Amino acid sequence: KNQVEQSPQSLIILEGKNCTLQCNYTVSPFSNLRWYKQDTGRGPVSLTIMTFSENTKSNGRYTATLDADTKQSSLHITASQLSDSASYICVVSASERGGADGLTFGKGTHLIIQP
Amino acid sequence: EPEVTQTPSHQVTQMGQEVILRCVPISNHLYFYWYRQILGQKVEFLVSFYNNEISEKSEIFDDQFSVERPDGSNFTLKIRSTKLEDSAMYFCASSFDRVNSPLHFGNGTRLTVT
Repeated sequence: KNQVEQSPQSLIILEGKNCTLQCNYTVSPFSNLRWYKQDTGRGPVSLTIMTFSENTKSNGRYTATLDADTKQSSLHITASQLSDSASYICVVSASERGGADGLTFGKGTHLIIQP
Repeated sequence: EPEVTQTPSHQVTQMGQEVILRCVPISNHLYFYWYRQILGQKVEFLVSFYNNEISEKSEIFDDQFSVERPDGSNFTLKIRSTKLEDSAMYFCASSFDRVNSPLHFGNGTRLTVT
């Protein structure tokens, strides 16, 4: 069964600090891995999409890494801001279906930035 | 920046009633999806729609559910006879292509079945 596990479940850091969120997956076959940011009461917003051949991708202060051999990904947030407080969801796509109908979602890491 | 819009933002209904959740996807997108998120749980796929027909559906998407794209801009999810366990946030999403384009989500409709 395809699974995506994220850690930590929740995290509190001070504004201006960096943090790294982890994602482990057992999705096969693999097509791509996505990170989304979900503010409370809002829809998820795409941060990055990485395919098998990519091992790092940045979007502003967000940098995602992918190790397809160990089936792990991380999302690093640099110089955190209060607006970074949200849930960060790791989503993996299986290539048999490939599209967004073949996505397996993690439960997310709930990040709180304190002033 | 274009966005996916969903209405209503919150719907309260009694068990057994029919509800229709509405979505306007981004205009040049070709693939449309419904997802749901029960409070505190992960997002779950319901159905995908392309070229005016369902392309994939999950086990959750049983005979109580149906989707329609009635007029080329709206995309609707109908639940014929709601159950208590249908209470969730329902997200519509769209994408330009099926595999590598990012999904654009709406802000959801919170459905409460009493």
